[in-house]
Amino acid sequence: RKEVEQDPGPFNVPEGATVAFNCTYSNSASQSFFWYRQDCRKEPKLLMSVYSSGNEDGRFTAQLNRASQYISLLIRDSKLSDSATYLCAVRPNAGKSTFGDGTTLTVKP
Amino acid sequence: ETGVTQSPTHLIKTRGQQVTLRCSSQSGHNTVSWYQQALGQGPQFIFQYYREEENGRGNFPPRFSGLQFPNYSSELNVNALELDDSALYLCASSSESSYNEQFFGPGTRLTVL
Repeated sequence: RKEVEQDPGPFNVPEGATVAFNCTYSNSASQSFFWYRQDCRKEPKLLMSVYSSGNEDGRFTAQLNRASQYISLLIRDSKLSDSATYLCAVRPNAGKSTFGDGTTLTVKP
Repeated sequence: ETGVTQSPTHLIKTRGQQVTLRCSSQSGHNTVSWYQQALGQGPQFIFQYYREEENGRGNFPPRFSGLQFPNYSSELNVNALELDDSALYLCASSSESSYNEQFFGPGTRLTVL
């Protein structure tokens, strides 16, 4: 079993839809959690950090559930430009990040 | 842009050769981590350098080695290249003051023939 697991998708949604991704992790000692966006053949770009209390940035909302060991990302009012692969990352300490293999989102007109 | 730069952008090598990849971290960042990303997978942690010392290593063989310099830039060296080493190599920089957030450079795409 992988340390960090994501549903690979693809998620195909129409513009304006709300879509949610989940990411489960196995290391209960993990301290930091992140969502990255990666466009085709580009580097991952930090989308948002995930805090215990949950956090929101515009159309994006991230949640952390430590008891069930998962983080989630909700995208409201999807735009064509949201089409990308979304990677979750988990860090047990200031050292390595463990990434999931990503969830592919395609937003269609 | 993150301010993290990597060189070269692309590289083609043959099996058995050696390669050196370079990374300049974002201003103010003293920690550099290197990742390997194969097609269709997430980045895999190779190792991290903090203030010129290796500070954690993933499941990669010793032929993967690195350095960090006093200006916090870093190198990744891979000896005896294998076909499976073909991947996107990413470096990420971070600082002690951030919430462990890492910012990635554009990567070096290595092809081993």
